Amino acid sequence: QLQLQESGPGLVKASETLSLTCSVSGGSISSRSYYWGWVRQPPGKGLEWIASIYYRGDTHYKASLRSRVTIYIDTSKNQFSLNLTSVTAADTAVYYCANNLWTGPSYWGQGMLVAVSS
Amino acid sequence: QSELTQPPSASGTPGQRVIISCSGSNSGILSDSIVWYQHVPGTAPKLLINSNNQRPSWVPDRFSVSKSATSASLAISGLQSEDEAFYYCATWDVILKGLFGEGTKLTVL
Repeated sequence: QLQLQESGPGLVKASETLSLTCSVSGGSISSRSYYWGWVRQPPGKGLEWIASIYYRGDTHYKASLRSRVTIYIDTSKNQFSLNLTSVTAADTAVYYCANNLWTGPSYWGQGMLVAVSS
Repeated sequence: QSELTQPPSASGTPGQRVIISCSGSNSGILSDSIVWYQHVPGTAPKLLINSNNQRPSWVPDRFSVSKSATSASLAISGLQSEDEAFYYCATWDVILKGLFGEGTKLTVL
């Protein structure tokens, strides 16, 4: 069974870059069976899809975040990562990494709260 | 901007049947598969029903879905206290990419 774990700083200064990594165990990140993604939930709000990446490297981004977001895979470490530049308070959220968001079976990390300070 | 609209809240008593709706802001937004997530605050969301309308083994058949051209619905029969959670519809396509509904908070009275 896949296990996913988010890691990164829990506090980021406004205007700086938020960088998160998702470590995958129990399976290969290069497997054709999987595609990977990031979802976030701002305080008191609903879930928001951010980006997805396929094993071949194809990437998809939420249109409103596209200019600030990058998702990429590091096969040597069995990890995938998210960079979000020029953060503001609106980017404060619990960030989840997950796989197979639409087709399942979908495994998620436990989530990580990232706060943006002014 | 495309949206999936859900009622902010729903409720029922144990044993009742509850339906949570999900409507699309644009025609055709629901032409692709709709999935449903269950989210208990403080835990990771769980995919309840996938794009093939399949339920993972942990999901009882009390949960079912239906869809028309303009809306989708999640029905929960025989409501139980453990069903209390937030429920999200979601969809994905090459144009919209990923999109979650606003979420519905289900309360079991």
